[in-house]
Amino acid sequence: AQTVTQSQPEMSVQEAETVTLSCTYDTSESDYYLFWYKQPPSRQMILVIRQEAYKQQNATENRFSVNFQKAAKSFSLKISDSQLGDAAMYFCAYRRRSNFGNEKLTFGTGTRLTIIP
Amino acid sequence: DTEVTQTPKHLVMGMTNKKSLKCEQHMGHRAMYWYKQKAKKPPELMFVYSYEKLSINESVPSRFSPECPNSSLLNLHLHALQPEDSALYLCASSKTVLAGGFKQYFGPGTRLTVT
Repeated sequence: AQTVTQSQPEMSVQEAETVTLSCTYDTSESDYYLFWYKQPPSRQMILVIRQEAYKQQNATENRFSVNFQKAAKSFSLKISDSQLGDAAMYFCAYRRRSNFGNEKLTFGTGTRLTIIP
Repeated sequence: DTEVTQTPKHLVMGMTNKKSLKCEQHMGHRAMYWYKQKAKKPPELMFVYSYEKLSINESVPSRFSPECPNSSLLNLHLHALQPEDSALYLCASSKTVLAGGFKQYFGPGTRLTVT
């Protein structure tokens, strides 16, 4: 079974600084997706960034980028120029790529990010 | 319109009540999901509907009964719940359940309290 581990229950960063959230996963599959979801206090989960395992290039979305190390099964999220609106719980998630449609997202336990003004 | 809506926002019910949660999307998505999220925990998948048919049931107790009456609407019928069922119930949708361009859009959730 796949597992996703986020070893940092809480992180904090000064506004405008850079922070990196860690995620490791365990799978025997070679083709899969990895995601970072953000859940602010308003509760709505929002997809921040997605990485396809077959792509060597790290995904980026504006101030958000990932460091995907497939051999090490590591998928960290870097947030540059942190803003107050980035304060949220961040979940790392894994989904096996399948043509059968019976796959589900496996989430890590989350990292609560606090932005210090 | 990239929104998933859920009603009600909050629900308090007794253990003998029957209530329903509602989820709606108008993005043309043909996959819809129910998740349960306890405080400070990640979401746990409960059900998946694909083209209005139940595709995945994660061994959820029968006191939770999902229904997908059409491609835009997903309901979760609740009956004889236990206090440990108190949680945030999240609905999500995606274009299809198949891989490729996979992105789930989540609703804001219904906060359920069972007394």
